[in-house]
Amino acid sequence: RKEVEQDPGPFNVPEGATVAFNCTYSNSASQSFFWYRQDCRKEPKLLMSVYSSGNEDGRFTAQLNRASQYISLLIRDSKLSDSATYLCVVNRNTGGFKTIFGAGTRLFVKA
Amino acid sequence: DAGVIQSPRHEVTEMGQEVTLRCKPISGHDYLFWYRQTMMRGLELLIYFNNNVPIDDSGMPEDRFSAKMPNASFSTLKIQPSEPRDSAVYFCASSLAYGGQGAGELFFGEGSRLTVL
Repeated sequence: RKEVEQDPGPFNVPEGATVAFNCTYSNSASQSFFWYRQDCRKEPKLLMSVYSSGNEDGRFTAQLNRASQYISLLIRDSKLSDSATYLCVVNRNTGGFKTIFGAGTRLFVKA
Repeated sequence: DAGVIQSPRHEVTEMGQEVTLRCKPISGHDYLFWYRQTMMRGLELLIYFNNNVPIDDSGMPEDRFSAKMPNASFSTLKIQPSEPRDSAVYFCASSLAYGGQGAGELFFGEGSRLTVL
């Protein structure tokens, strides 16, 4: 079992739709959490950090549930430009500090 | 401001040849990472440095891989000899703050796409 698991998708949604991605992590000592975005044949870039109280950045909302070891990303009013792969990222400090990337969830937003 | 700069962007080589990938981190960043990305395995951390010192190289696949950081502005990842299974995109990333609760953002270069025939 992978330490960070995501549904690979793809998610195919129409413009304007709301879409949610989930991510689970197995190491309870995980400390900090992020969503990165990766466009096709490009490098990953930070989308947003995920805080315990939940946080919002425009159309994007991230949630963390430490008890269930679960992270989510909600995208409202999807745009064509949101089409990308979304990577769930976890930092943990057991046996050394490490950043673990999930395999990513692919999103296609259609006109 | 310049981001992380990697070279070459694309490399096609034959099995058995030596491959050297290069990275210039963002000025002032103390941490430098080498990642490999494939469809099958996703993004895997190979090694990371703090202040030019290797901290964790547990992800380096085998002795054919080596990484150096001779100064704060330059790092290399070398594969010798290369094999077809090494074909992947190799990303270099740098970070200003890492380790602990305040772990910072990783800034990635555009990657070096390696094909070993």
